[in-house]
Amino acid sequence: SAVISQKPSRDICQRGTSLTIQCQVDSQVTMMFWYRQQPGQSLTLIATANQGSEATYESGFVIDKFPISRPNLTFSTLTVSNMSPEDSSIYLCSVETLGQRVINEQFFGPGTRLTVL
Amino acid sequence: GQNIDQPTEMTATEGAIVQINCTYQTSGFNGLFWYQQHAGEAPTFLSYNVLDGLEEKGRFSSFLSRSKGYSYLLLKELQMKDSASYLCAVRARRYSSASKIIFGSGTRLSIRP
Repeated sequence: SAVISQKPSRDICQRGTSLTIQCQVDSQVTMMFWYRQQPGQSLTLIATANQGSEATYESGFVIDKFPISRPNLTFSTLTVSNMSPEDSSIYLCSVETLGQRVINEQFFGPGTRLTVL
Repeated sequence: GQNIDQPTEMTATEGAIVQINCTYQTSGFNGLFWYQQHAGEAPTFLSYNVLDGLEEKGRFSSFLSRSKGYSYLLLKELQMKDSASYLCAVRARRYSSASKIIFGSGTRLSIRP
């Protein structure tokens, strides 16, 4: 399994500002993912971050709004730019690792709860 | 396109058995996951099916029928701590990019004494 930590765990931000969320993994992983979970809803994939290449964004998400860095195999950041109240959500970092039965298990960090006023 | 359907809410009694169904439509199917998520916490991995059939792990079992686009999660000997949301998720292969996991809307399971 993988142990994932995220910083900050929660934040309250003003409209128009930006917040950078950090994700640290205790082992080297190839695939890292960023999800958003809005209140009462399920998880929506924002982007996939591979080390050494640009992130791949899902439909509805763009790099200017959610720039991602992946400087090495254990760390990534997601920035939520020019925030609005609609960005209030839980942001989760996730990694994919090779499981015991050669299945790719996906583990989640504890999440960052963002409130935009 | 991709679509995952599961019931929004279910209620069951402590000690009983409950089955949570999930139907999906996706191209490039490459496995189905079930996750448990308690309120305010991150999802935790429960099971993974890529071939047809039943996978049993303790009190939890997961079934997959790829031809029907159907899965279920079976929880036995229900305990109060099983009250949580259960998320069905499908991995889809994508040409020229990494596969991705798409989540259903989740089923909120409430256990009553």
